[in-house]
Amino acid sequence: SAVISQKPSRDICQRGTSLTIQCQVDSQVTMMFWYRQQPGQSLTLIATANQGSEATYESGFVIDKFPISRPNLTFSTLTVSNMSPEDSSIYLCSVAKSYNEQFFGPGTRLTVL
Amino acid sequence: QKEVEQDPGPLSVPEGAIVSLNCTYSNSAFQYFMWYRQYSRKGPELLMYTYSSGNKEDGRFTAQVDKSSKYISLFIRDSQPSDSATYLCAMKAAGNKLTFGGGTRVLVKP
Repeated sequence: SAVISQKPSRDICQRGTSLTIQCQVDSQVTMMFWYRQQPGQSLTLIATANQGSEATYESGFVIDKFPISRPNLTFSTLTVSNMSPEDSSIYLCSVAKSYNEQFFGPGTRLTVL
Repeated sequence: QKEVEQDPGPLSVPEGAIVSLNCTYSNSAFQYFMWYRQYSRKGPELLMYTYSSGNKEDGRFTAQVDKSSKYISLFIRDSQPSDSATYLCAMKAAGNKLTFGGGTRVLVKP
C-alpha cells in the first residue's frame, strides 16, 4: 500500500480566495491523481499530476481553476482558485502503486462561505 | 444515465449476516473492477480488485464480476459492526482513470 498525508485536513475559506492543498507520499510513485467528492456524491477525477510536465485535466476541469504542481515523485499540490460555495467539497489525493491499485489520502474538507 | 449505478442504501443488517452490495455499469470498455471502503471523514480504502469474470475471495470478502450482464457484487460474510461504512465500487478501462459508483452506506447492528 502507500502512506499518504494531506494538508490541511480541513479549512473554511472566504469566497474569492484560493487554497493550496498538499499531498505527500511515503515512497516514489509515477502516477498521482486529484479527486473531488462533493457532499453526498461519489468521487470525480479532477486531473492526473505528471512529474516534470503539466497536469492532465478531465473534462469540466481547467488549469486556471485547479492549478497543480508535481515537483518530484513523492509530492503534489492542488490549488483551488477564486473559490465559490460550489467548490465546497472533499479533495482527495490518490497514487497508483500498480496498474490496478490506487490508494487514497485522508482528504481535505473544504468549506467556502 | 450514470456510467456506474450503485444503490445508496442505507443497508442495515444484524451482526453476523451476509452483506450483499451491487453495482451495474453501462460502459463495456470497463475491464478492471475495485471495491473501496470509506469510513466517515476518511479517505477510501482499497478492499479488492479483479479483472476477470467470476469470483475472487479475500478473507470475509468475495468480489464477483459478470461482464456479460455488466454487474459486479461484493459480499461480506460474518459482518461486524466495524464493517459499518460506505462501500464504493470503482472501475476502469485501459488507463488510470477510475469511475466510481455513488457508494452504498452499510450499517451493521450489534
